[in-house]
Amino acid sequence: KQEVTQIPAALSVPEGENLVLNCSFTDSAIYNLQWFRQDPGKGLTSLLLIQSSQREQTSGRLNASLDKSSGRSTLYIAASQPGDSATYLCAVRPIVTGANSKLTFGKGITLSVRP
Amino acid sequence: GAGVSQSPSNKVTEKGKDVELRCDPISGHTALYWYRQSLGQGLEFLIYFQGNSAPDKSGLPSDRFSAERTGGSVSTLTIQRTQQEDSAVYLCASSLGTSGMSTDTQYFGPGTRLTVL
Repeated sequence: KQEVTQIPAALSVPEGENLVLNCSFTDSAIYNLQWFRQDPGKGLTSLLLIQSSQREQTSGRLNASLDKSSGRSTLYIAASQPGDSATYLCAVRPIVTGANSKLTFGKGITLSVRP
Repeated sequence: GAGVSQSPSNKVTEKGKDVELRCDPISGHTALYWYRQSLGQGLEFLIYFQGNSAPDKSGLPSDRFSAERTGGSVSTLTIQRTQQEDSAVYLCASSLGTSGMSTDTQYFGPGTRLTVL
C-alpha cells in the first residue's frame, strides 16, 4: 500500500527566504506526482505535476523535483512571500491498468511566511 | 472558464439523517473523483468515475456511502444514516481523463463541509 509522508507538518519562515518542502513515498511505481496548495476553507489548487519520466517542473518561483528511485520529491519556493502561506500537499498516482486512477495524498505541510 | 463547483458549501445535519452532496465538474472532463478530508487527516479517496466505465468504489468507507454520475457530468455523493465520524470536508475533482502530460491534472472544487451533530 502506497504511503505518502510530508515532514514537518508545519513550517514558519521569514519573508524572502528560499525554502524546500519535502515529500516521500513508499512505492516507486508511480505514474506521476502532483503538488497542490490549499488555502484555509478552500479546495485544492494544482501547482505542478511531474510525470514519472521527468526530473523536475518549474512554474514561476516554484520548482518541483522528483527522484522516483528514492521515493522523494521536493517543492522549492524561491523568495517566499506572505501570500505563499497555505498548506502544501503532494500526491502520487499509481501505475495501474483499468479504471483505477486514485491519488494518494500526504497530510500536507502548513507554511507560514512572516512579513 | 468555470471550475468545479460543489453544493452546498456547508451542511449541518443530525445523526441518522441522509445527505446528498453535489458536484458539477468542468465541462468536457470525463473523469470525476470524490475525496474526504477529515480534521487532522490527509485526503482520503472515496470513488472515481471515468466515462462510461464502472466506477472505482474501492475507497468508500461503508455501504452507507454511494455515488452516482448522471449523463457523464453531474455527480451526487449520498451518505445514508449519517454518523458523527462522517463529519469532514468532501472534495470533488475532475480531469480530462485522457493520457498525456497535462491532462492528468485534477482540478478541485471548494468542497462541502459536512457537520453531523
